[in-house]
Amino acid sequence: DAGITQSPRHKVTETGTPVTLRCHQTENHRYMYWYRQDPGHGLRLIHYSYGVKDTDKGEVSDGYSVSRSKTEDFLLTLESATSSQTSVYFCAIGPKDTEAFFGQGTRLTVV
Amino acid sequence: GIQVEQSPPDLILQEGANSTLRCNFSDSVNNLQWFHQNPWGQLINLFYIPSGTKQNGRLSATTVATERYSLLYISSSQTTDSGVYFCAVLKAAGNKLTFGGGTRVLVKP
Repeated sequence: DAGITQSPRHKVTETGTPVTLRCHQTENHRYMYWYRQDPGHGLRLIHYSYGVKDTDKGEVSDGYSVSRSKTEDFLLTLESATSSQTSVYFCAIGPKDTEAFFGQGTRLTVV
Repeated sequence: GIQVEQSPPDLILQEGANSTLRCNFSDSVNNLQWFHQNPWGQLINLFYIPSGTKQNGRLSATTVATERYSLLYISSSQTTDSGVYFCAVLKAAGNKLTFGGGTRVLVKP
């Protein structure tokens, strides 16, 4: 299995609170991605990183920020969680132009 | 951005049947992968196949990059094949892995 760990695996939080999800890799891959999965929408890209401190937006980036201060960690932050951000969040890693691997997912519920 | 369309959206099979899933994409790609999302939500890599044909047990895949489509074949289906199958592509000179909407497969015993 690719060395990807997402934490936490499950979280329930209240509307308006900040939330940070962590993706940790042991593969030294350059590219890391955050996706969200919702019924009827498949997997949609939130943000991605192509190196330390190099990040860019995906198709559904509003309300989210990311940081990558070292190769192995990619953090996704919801500054002020809303109910529309209730979702399953997946992290993926991979070198560009080759196979990408996904973490186990984080189920986030905003109440 | 690149468009990725999968068909059919839903598929119900009797155990032992064969099936073909299709992925069409709208631009040149450097990376194409097939994933299986099992009933527990885990995304499992099936094939990395930007072009050509690969086989792994009862599953095989073919990508015709010049015609912008890929096919996933499931032979002698089993109940454990149930789940959602996703195609994902990386546009040539791009950085974003884009997913299709998936094909939901149910294999009945």
